[in-house]
Amino acid sequence: GQNIDQPTEMTATEGAIVQINCTYQTSGFNGLFWYQQHAGEAPTFLSYNVLDGLEEKGRFSSFLSRSKGYSYLLLKELQMKDSASYLCAVVDSNYQLIWGAGTKLIIKP
Amino acid sequence: IAGITQAPTSQILAAGRRMTLRCTQDMRHNAMYWYRQDLGLGLRLIHYSNTAGTTGKGEVPDGYSVSRANTDDFPLTLASAVPSQTSVYFCASNPGGSSYNEQFFGPGTRLTVL
Repeated sequence: GQNIDQPTEMTATEGAIVQINCTYQTSGFNGLFWYQQHAGEAPTFLSYNVLDGLEEKGRFSSFLSRSKGYSYLLLKELQMKDSASYLCAVVDSNYQLIWGAGTKLIIKP
Repeated sequence: IAGITQAPTSQILAAGRRMTLRCTQDMRHNAMYWYRQDLGLGLRLIHYSNTAGTTGKGEVPDGYSVSRANTDDFPLTLASAVPSQTSVYFCASNPGGSSYNEQFFGPGTRLTVL
């Protein structure tokens, strides 16, 4: 079967750095997305990786290792507004998105 | 409108009733999707449409039907609602119909079936 694993919940301090991991086992791989979802709202796009390596976009970076079936989202200089769930999703061999359950990130002052 | 709209925002429905969730986008995107999101589970694809006039089944299609008569609208119908269909429903679209493109989500419909 297809599986995407993320930690259920993480806590970090305002101003700090946090890394949210995502491991996947899917039938094929055609890219990996990270989305942010604030409570009661819709998911919004953060990043897309299809090649190995680090993609940096402001305070957020996303890393991919296809050989390890592993990605992480790195958030720097955390702000209170970063409190949200972070969803990892993989594009499988049928070009369908397989979603992880999401990681709820709690930021403390 | 700008983006994707969904209606209603929330609904409480008696089991056995028929219900249509509406989704409209004004971005001229080819592909549209319906997901349900339940606590502790990832988004699960119900149905999708790669272009107007075509639809396909996702991971959890049973009890749901869709139509795509034009580019803008993609309604989801529950023919006879059951309590297990209590969930938050998101409609999404992407421009080229390829899964390489990011998906844009509507604000969601919170449905409770009693």
